Amino acid sequence: GENVEQHPSTLSVQEGDSAVIKCTYSDSASNYFPWYKQELGKRPQLIIDIRSNVGEKKDQRIAVTLNKTAKHFSLHITETQPEDSAVYFCAASKAPGGSYIPTFGRGTSLIVHP
Amino acid sequence: DGGITQSPKYLFRKEGQNVTLSCEQNLNHDAMYWYRQDPGQGLRLIYYSQIVNDFQKGDIAEGYSVSREKKESFPLTVTSAQKNPTAFYLCASSPQSGQTQYFGPGTRLLVL
Repeated sequence: GENVEQHPSTLSVQEGDSAVIKCTYSDSASNYFPWYKQELGKRPQLIIDIRSNVGEKKDQRIAVTLNKTAKHFSLHITETQPEDSAVYFCAASKAPGGSYIPTFGRGTSLIVHP
Repeated sequence: DGGITQSPKYLFRKEGQNVTLSCEQNLNHDAMYWYRQDPGQGLRLIYYSQIVNDFQKGDIAEGYSVSREKKESFPLTVTSAQKNPTAFYLCASSPQSGQTQYFGPGTRLLVL
């Protein structure tokens, strides 16, 4: 089955700095890679996703890059703000359709210091 | 976010007791999932269902049971066989298995 490794487990940055979280996956057939943000005590919410036919996707201060050859993808947050503090999860799956269930990384706790 | 709900928000279980966590969605999604979240462990899949009247075990199904009698509902029972049930339980749904998941607000289960 799929295996997703996520690093680092904790990331501490100063407000305004950039933050990068990296994930690797094992199944070359995976083609859908979402990122979720979970604030303390809240539910995970999708913040950005990328499909394997695209190398990079941006949405304001966040971006995701995908390297299919190396089987890794990364989340980039620029100009970090205290409200970016949360746990971020990456996942890998096959989509659309199919019976393959998303596999999640263990999460990265991002702390943005004012 | 309001399309998928979980109840109760907090649940207390006594020794030897079975408890049931509710998950309802009005998003018309086919697939539903149950995850367990422990600190530093990420999201671990307990059970999932791709269609009504069908469900499959996830990675940590022992001590849990589910049913999927209606498209909108996917309750999870934590049985007395689950010896370490204290955790945050998240239900999710998606239009088709493997696509974007929408999570409920979670139920925190505590053992008395």
